[in-house]
Amino acid sequence: DQQVKQNSPSLSVQEGRISILNCDYTNSMFDYFLWYKKYPAEGPTFLISISSIKDKNEDGRFTVFLNKSAKHLSLHIVPSQPGDSAVYFCAASPNSGNTPLVFGKGTRLSVIA
Amino acid sequence: EPEVTQTPSHQVTQMGQEVILRCVPISNHLYFYWYRQILGQKVEFLVSFYNNEISEKSEIFDDQFSVERPDGSNFTLKIRSTKLEDSAMYFCASSGGAGRGQTQYFGPGTRLLVL
Repeated sequence: DQQVKQNSPSLSVQEGRISILNCDYTNSMFDYFLWYKKYPAEGPTFLISISSIKDKNEDGRFTVFLNKSAKHLSLHIVPSQPGDSAVYFCAASPNSGNTPLVFGKGTRLSVIA
Repeated sequence: EPEVTQTPSHQVTQMGQEVILRCVPISNHLYFYWYRQILGQKVEFLVSFYNNEISEKSEIFDDQFSVERPDGSNFTLKIRSTKLEDSAMYFCASSGGAGRGQTQYFGPGTRLLVL
């Protein structure tokens, strides 16, 4: 039962261009969404989050967009840098956090110099 | 910057043995979690802990698992009798709680290998 889906297992982008990572969810109770970045042999590192009362949140090069009607969110990274190469996980929770996160399977981003 | 720490980084054990994985959450956080990631699969929730008791647990968290906060800083996950399928990366996370932020911050993980 995949409540959070990341349908692209991998993505390659040229340095300096935009990276767009997508995530879909099925559970209408989710109201808090997060993106984590993970390097091999490390734990997930928090990147950016958005609550369901917003449709956009921006932090430097990272922007998350939420389309509640489509149950879809995306992470935009611009400009992409080689150091952004990692696995990106979308996660969601109900009740605005402090509750268990449900993760997608991740998308491996490769930024090519 | 405060961070979640975990020990050991790697643990190899024989099937049927007990293991204890240790975590030091961020000091002013109130909620604590354990997740695991089996190789090639997604990160899965195991258990959450608040106010010195389990607040939620998944179906994975059966009677072989237990958690404890033995003092003001450590948070442990015990697997009483390990099985081959317990081999995974185990991540501890913590979050601040009401008024302190709800984002969960993860530790670097413990890689458990059960032989």
